[in-house]
Amino acid sequence: QVQLVQSGAEVKKPGASVKVSCKVSGYTLTELSMHWVRQAPGKGLEWMGGFDPEDGETIYAQKFQGRVTMTEDTSTDTAYMELSSLRSEDTAVYYCATYFAYDAFDIWGQGTMVTVSS
Amino acid sequence: EIVLTQSPGTLSLSPGERATLSCRASQSVSSSYLAWYQQKPGQAPRLLIYGASSRATGIPDRFSGSGSGTDFTLTISRLEPEDFAVYYCQQYGSSPGTFGGGTKVEIK
Repeated sequence: QVQLVQSGAEVKKPGASVKVSCKVSGYTLTELSMHWVRQAPGKGLEWMGGFDPEDGETIYAQKFQGRVTMTEDTSTDTAYMELSSLRSEDTAVYYCATYFAYDAFDIWGQGTMVTVSS
Repeated sequence: EIVLTQSPGTLSLSPGERATLSCRASQSVSSSYLAWYQQKPGQAPRLLIYGASSRATGIPDRFSGSGSGTDFTLTISRLEPEDFAVYYCQQYGSSPGTFGGGTKVEIK
């Protein structure tokens, strides 16, 4: 059974960076296309970016271009999402998600709360 | 970017009633790559429907999806107490894979 386990909550100051991890168990990361979705408090879901297997590249939502970097460590089956130049509006729960049995996001991490506050 | 508009924002119904949720796209959704998710407070979203009308494993048959092009519907035939939650649609046929703003189904 594929599971995604994310790192713990973070508190950051404005202008800092945060790096959230997502460890895959029950499968290998190289066989999955990992994506990241965030949700501000009381708000909806927002896709940030993910791996496009057709192009073999990671694509980012235009809103986050230049501020977000998504990487993978295949030796530990762990995906990472780093967001820089944090501002208060980046306070949100960050989820990793992937499609395994279907072509939509059927596997989600438990979420990582990132709080940006001075 | 395809914009998804969900309506209504909130649906107030009683257990046993039928719920009809709408998701309208600003452009045609490629190959019916439209999904529906359920989210309860403090939990990650759960996939209900993919490909506009196919149920994911373990999803009760009271949940059904329909539609194509720009208009999609999620129907819950008879609401059970555990169905009161927020529902999101998502199109994943073109990048970026956008989500709708959500519909909250609350107990009347």
